[in-house]
Amino acid sequence: DQQVKQNSPSLSVQEGRISILNCDYTNSMFDYFLWYKKYPAEGPTFLISISSIKDKNEDGRFTVFLNKSAKHLSLHIVPSQPGDSAVYFCAASVISGTYKYIFGTGTRLKVLA
Amino acid sequence: GAGVSQSPSNKVTEKGKDVELRCDPISGHTALYWYRQSLGQGLEFLIYFQGNSAPDKSGLPSDRFSAERTGGSVSTLTIQRTQQEDSAVYLCASSFYQETQYFGPGTRLLVL
Repeated sequence: DQQVKQNSPSLSVQEGRISILNCDYTNSMFDYFLWYKKYPAEGPTFLISISSIKDKNEDGRFTVFLNKSAKHLSLHIVPSQPGDSAVYFCAASVISGTYKYIFGTGTRLKVLA
Repeated sequence: GAGVSQSPSNKVTEKGKDVELRCDPISGHTALYWYRQSLGQGLEFLIYFQGNSAPDKSGLPSDRFSAERTGGSVSTLTIQRTQQEDSAVYLCASSFYQETQYFGPGTRLLVL
């Protein structure tokens, strides 16, 4: 049973436009969420996180939105740049637990110049 | 400072052989995690260390998989009698207690 789902395996966006990556989860115990970016042949790089006490967190061009009632989070990248082309993973965890991350299967973002 | 490092970066082995994968976490990080990513899949949790103890081994897929951590630092993941389905990228991450996890570049394992 996939507890964290990224239903869009790929997304293409024009440079300068907004990229919206979506993630759904099923476990209501999750209280901490993160987004990682992964380039080929490299490990995942931390992008941004949000705890369940917030519904929005912003860092530069990246904003994460959390809708707890819908068990849904999204990552917005504005404006998108060609260097943003990568695979994006969302992850969720329970802070009071072992803090292991449960990852989605990733969305491959391609930003077209 | 230096990030998480893993060795080897690539490993090709024959079915039935044992392999050892090494992880050097960020200095001072107390927690260490092993994940793996099979082709077309997300990252799958394997095992978690806090110091040298492993309170959560729930993700290890079989008893052929084991891991240890010594001196609160370096960790080794051992896969005995490798099978073709063990082929994956094995990723190590470390964190300061329950803060954000930082990942190494991974070891790409191919079992022929």
